[in-house]
Amino acid sequence: GQSLEQPSEVTAVEGAIVQINCTYQTSGFYGLSWYQQHDGGAPTFLSYNGLDGLEETGRFSSFLSRSDSYGYLLLQELQMKDSASYFCAVMSTGGFKTIFGAGTRLFVKA
Amino acid sequence: KAGVTQTPRYLIKTRGQQVTLSCSPISGHRSVSWYQQTPGQGLQFLFEYFSETQRNKGNFPGRFSGRQFSNSRSEMNVSTLELGDSALYLCASSNREETQYFGPGTRLLVL
Repeated sequence: GQSLEQPSEVTAVEGAIVQINCTYQTSGFYGLSWYQQHDGGAPTFLSYNGLDGLEETGRFSSFLSRSDSYGYLLLQELQMKDSASYFCAVMSTGGFKTIFGAGTRLFVKA
Repeated sequence: KAGVTQTPRYLIKTRGQQVTLSCSPISGHRSVSWYQQTPGQGLQFLFEYFSETQRNKGNFPGRFSGRQFSNSRSEMNVSTLELGDSALYLCASSNREETQYFGPGTRLLVL
């Protein structure tokens, strides 16, 4: 089967840097995606790593290591509006099916 | 471009009833996926459609079904509703598998 593990909660202060880790188990792998979801809202796509290494998009970066079955989302210069849930996701080996982690709830404090 | 739309946004049903939810994808997107989101279980994959064909299905009972029309709009149906079906049902469309665009969801409450 396939599974993803990520911390349930992370707390950080405004202006700081926070890293949200994701480890996955899958018999095949096509890449790791990250989504953000605010309370009452829909998930929105943040980033995708198809290859090892770092992808940067503004204040957000995402990293993937296929050999370690591990990735992370890095949020810099944290703002209060970054308080949300963050999900990592992988595509299934059979294709056309995305498996999401349980989500990490990020609390940003002033 | 208009985003993914879902109707209705809120729904209250009683046990044993059935419900149909609708999703209109972003124009040009042919893949539509459905998810159930609950506080305890996170986002659970229901099924995915492409060009009116179901390409994959999650581990849900047969009471959950769906279809896609020639214009890529999709519907999902849940028959014989149970209390545990209360959830946020999300639809997502994509033109690239690694990037999904979610609609606002339909919040279903089963009493």
